Amino acid sequence: KAGVTQTPRYLIKTRGQQVTLSCSPISGHRSVSWYQQTPGQGLQFLFEYFSETQRNKGNFPGRFSGRQFSNSRSEMNVSTLELGDSALYLCASTLSGEYGYTFGSGTRLTVV
Amino acid sequence: GNSVTQMEGPVTLSEEAFLTINCTYTATGYPSLFWYVQYPGEGLQLLLKATKADDKGSNKGFEATYRKETTSFHLEKGSVQVSDSAVYFCALKDQTGANNLFFGTGTRLTVIP
Repeated sequence: KAGVTQTPRYLIKTRGQQVTLSCSPISGHRSVSWYQQTPGQGLQFLFEYFSETQRNKGNFPGRFSGRQFSNSRSEMNVSTLELGDSALYLCASTLSGEYGYTFGSGTRLTVV
Repeated sequence: GNSVTQMEGPVTLSEEAFLTINCTYTATGYPSLFWYVQYPGEGLQLLLKATKADDKGSNKGFEATYRKETTSFHLEKGSVQVSDSAVYFCALKDQTGANNLFFGTGTRLTVIP
């Protein structure tokens, strides 16, 4: 079966712009989570969506937002980009968290 | 709160050496525990998991045992290969309904021929 697909793979944006990242989960997985990975902070949880509802949120400013569609595809948006937002953004989907999460290859965002 | 403490890297081993990467955790109750591996330029791949105390997760020659008494989930492999070179992350999911993982800082492993 197809894995978790994230698009685009790479993005370069300018400070102050906004960006939207996309994630298509494994078919049948209704839970989609987003993580930010940086060399300094490691892997940090952004938010989780389940059946189009945000179920859990990490400690990030309101510039970071997301949504989930009825087909479980998810998007995350970052507004007013800052240099510190440069990171690898990973999406993960699961049927049930206890059994593991499948991650996508990530979107590498560079803010200049 | 929940946290994962992982052995600092980097770790460099010769091929066929024994590998141990230490991982301890803090969590209430009985979390689920995971090891993920990340190859260069890629996302995370689930390596193995354990969902209750004394469970042993295993995959591709790697093993880890869920030790409640020592709150540990150390990763081991008897004979590493060059292809095992990657970054390894220990992670936990707590027993609440929240589907988010808490990760350790990662341990970079390099295996030299």
